[in-house]
Amino acid sequence: QQQVRQSPQSLTVWEGETAILNCSYEDSTFNYFPWYQQFPGEGPALLISIRSVSDKKEDGRFTIFFNKREKKLSLHITDSQPGDSATYFCAASDTNAYKVIFGKGTHLHVLP
Amino acid sequence: VTLLEQNPRWRLVPRGQAVNLRCILKNSQYPWMSWYQQDLQKQLQWLFTLRSPGDKEVKSLPGADYLATRVTDTELRLQVANMSQGRTLYCTCSASPGTVSNERLFFGHGTKLSVL
Repeated sequence: QQQVRQSPQSLTVWEGETAILNCSYEDSTFNYFPWYQQFPGEGPALLISIRSVSDKKEDGRFTIFFNKREKKLSLHITDSQPGDSATYFCAASDTNAYKVIFGKGTHLHVLP
Repeated sequence: VTLLEQNPRWRLVPRGQAVNLRCILKNSQYPWMSWYQQDLQKQLQWLFTLRSPGDKEVKSLPGADYLATRVTDTELRLQVANMSQGRTLYCTCSASPGTVSNERLFFGHGTKLSVL
């Protein structure tokens, strides 16, 4: 059972455009939602995160929009740069458990 | 400075043999250490989180059996056995600071395991 779903699987945008990556989850006990960025040959790196008490979190060009009622969230990358080309993972967890549930990732290509 | 050291980056595993992996933490202020499995499709799956030296856990998943050990405050080990023939997967360790084990994860580069 896939508890965290991401779409699209792959996304291509032009430099300067806004990339929108979507994520949904099933378990209502999840209260922490990080996004990780992974480049080829590297481990994932924490990019930005949000807690379920908030509906928006912004950090520079990266913004998370969170809809608790619909169990959906999205990562917006404004002014996309070729260096943003990577795989982005949406993840979910609750503070009472060890595990973190990851989505299958969205592979982002930013064309110059 | 890399927080987590995993060597080697790639191991060929003869069929039927187990392999032992080490993850070294460069900063002991990150008490929670975990192992994750990542397949060729990049799906990350949590395996274990161990907090204290001496902690051990085992798990069997389709395609491999795992034994994790927290050796010291700065060393985590993983034994991978009974990998399916022809299988390739990445084993990546992570560490997290503070009192919550599953937040603000820092990952190592991972070790790629390929079964002959």
